Amino acid sequence: AQSVTQPDIHITVSEGASLELRCNYSYGATPYLFWYVQSPGQGLQLLLKYFSGDTLVQGIKGFEAEFKRSQSSFNLRKPSVHWSDAAEYFCAVNTGGFKTIFGAGTRLFVKA
Amino acid sequence: DADVTQTPRNRITKTGKRIMLECSQTKGHDRMYWYRQDPGLGLRLIYYSFDVKDINKGEISDGYSVSRQAQAKFSLSLESAIPNQTALYFCATSDAGQINQPQHFGDGTRLSIL
Repeated sequence: AQSVTQPDIHITVSEGASLELRCNYSYGATPYLFWYVQSPGQGLQLLLKYFSGDTLVQGIKGFEAEFKRSQSSFNLRKPSVHWSDAAEYFCAVNTGGFKTIFGAGTRLFVKA
Repeated sequence: DADVTQTPRNRITKTGKRIMLECSQTKGHDRMYWYRQDPGLGLRLIYYSFDVKDINKGEISDGYSVSRQAQAKFSLSLESAIPNQTALYFCATSDAGQINQPQHFGDGTRLSIL
């Protein structure tokens, strides 16, 4: 069965430091991959998506993610974190059907 | 105005009560979904609908029912609420025009059952 793993329940980074959030999926072929962000009191907002082509994708708010087929990973990165990036981040996978599978989420804390 | 609107935003009720959560959208999407979010579990799909005449169970549909009143409206009901249904509930939509389009979420309904 398809699954999505976000190994880190929470991460704390200093403002201005770089960020990498990990995501691994389990699926036999190349899935459709997404990263969403959830700010407190709000729904999930799409940051970026990967369907095919260039394995490094750019998203909103300065985020990027890299698809690595050999590692079944789709890690999210940002070169310099801002305090407003504190939120929960969800990796999601769609394998070509109706259903999108979400990871358990990683909560990002940003310290001054 | 929000593209996907959920009402109410917060609700506290008692065990055994019937509850309806409502969702309306102005995005013109055919596909609508209901999820629940629990800490450490991510989002789990309750029901989904690809059009007004199409309703499907998700992975955790027991204890829930839905109604697709129109393309823009999709309601979730708890016929007899129980405490373990306390959670954050999200409605989402997606465009059926292209495969695997991202989903657009409402701001959620926080439901507490005492």
